[in-house]
Amino acid sequence: DIQMTQSPSSLSTSVGDRVTITCRASQYIYSYLNWYQQKPGKAPKLLIYAASTLQSGVPSRFTGSGSGTDFTLTISSLQPEDFATYFCQQHYITPWTFGQGTKVDIK
Amino acid sequence: QVQLVQSGAEVKKPGASVKVSCKASGYNFTDSFLHWVRQAPGQGLEWMGWISPGTGKRKYSRKFQDRVTIIADTSASTADMELSSLRSEDTALYYCVTGGGDHWGQGTLVTVSS
Repeated sequence: DIQMTQSPSSLSTSVGDRVTITCRASQYIYSYLNWYQQKPGKAPKLLIYAASTLQSGVPSRFTGSGSGTDFTLTISSLQPEDFATYFCQQHYITPWTFGQGTKVDIK
Repeated sequence: QVQLVQSGAEVKKPGASVKVSCKASGYNFTDSFLHWVRQAPGQGLEWMGWISPGTGKRKYSRKFQDRVTIIADTSASTADMELSSLRSEDTALYYCVTGGGDHWGQGTLVTVSS
């Protein structure tokens, strides 16, 4: 199975800050990489697909980059509604595998 | 709009089986794979398997291979996931998800407790 290593596992930050989350795959996955946002009690919400394509309706402050094995999710200016947990996920081959998550909370 | 609506919460005893249903609407049900993913309390996301409703083909995670069955009813646009021989570690939220990861059901909490 492909291992997805996400970092950091948590970060405390402030409104307006720039946030960067990284995800590394244990083998080459081209651009078969999704990023999700999850809030407590809710299903994950797709933010970015194909590593860098913004899902419809997602604010442009979210950007994804990378290909191959190394990927990044950036939030350019954190808003109050962005405090949540973020996951990466590869869908190059099954089983789908997910990063362990990054919890973004208020400093 | 695309919607996946799942069946309600379940409480089961160890050793029992549970069936979770997922009703799809707003798209051609036979055109997209449907996956099942679970999330234990406070934990990460774990893929269980997929089904192609149009062909009936399915694939399961090796971890659940012996205990999980996924079926689809194209006339009703529903997919069911059945997990057998339940143990306490199976307590989790179970989600159905469209093939691109772009639509998720609301989740079904399955609690396994004696």
